[in-house]
Amino acid sequence: GQQVKQSSPSLTVQEGGISILNCDYENDMFDYFAWYKKYPDNSPTLLISVRSNVDKREDGRLTVFLNKSGKHFSLHITASQPEDTAVYLCAAGLNQGGSAKLIFGEGTKLTVSS
Amino acid sequence: EAAVTQSPRSKVAVTGGKVTLSCHQTNNHDYMYWYRQDTGHGLRLIHYSYVADSTEKGDIPDGYKASRPSQENFSLILELASLSQTAVYFCASSDAGARTGQLYFGEGSKLTVL
Repeated sequence: GQQVKQSSPSLTVQEGGISILNCDYENDMFDYFAWYKKYPDNSPTLLISVRSNVDKREDGRLTVFLNKSGKHFSLHITASQPEDTAVYLCAAGLNQGGSAKLIFGEGTKLTVSS
Repeated sequence: EAAVTQSPRSKVAVTGGKVTLSCHQTNNHDYMYWYRQDTGHGLRLIHYSYVADSTEKGDIPDGYKASRPSQENFSLILELASLSQTAVYFCASSDAGARTGQLYFGEGSKLTVL
């Protein structure tokens, strides 16, 4: 089954508004969480990540909230801009012995309308 | 700047044929990954490796083999290509900081199986 899920395939937000992207995960052994941004025909790039011992992390207009008891994390983008229009992929990471792997969600297509 | 290059960038293959996708990184990273991207599925992990001459199965390894002959190179091999393997394939690398969620992706390889 899908270990990391983004239940909303798409989201439309007005320019200047707050975009809230959500992600749920199943494995409580995940110990780091990340959000990637992907433009069409481009490769994903890391936006922001947090370790499991952190509830919240801010970076400019971006804030990640982690709710470990609810197995949920979210990305808030304030003052959304048309250039924020992209696919956003959440990911959760697992360290097992010598290996580390990142599991991605299905992606949410964010459209910021002007 | 991280550098991960994939070849070929685009390929058309026939059903039942053999396909090899190559990935080269100049980051001196230990970890390398192969993901496939399909609409509605985000990025799914096929195989990964954290040391040369060793590979690990990801979440969807069936129909794929991987080879890591050196730290810099990681190949994905489809011995008998099938229609369902039409997708965009991304290679990524990371250092031990994979534990922070930071992956560096290549440009992607678009595979069409006819």
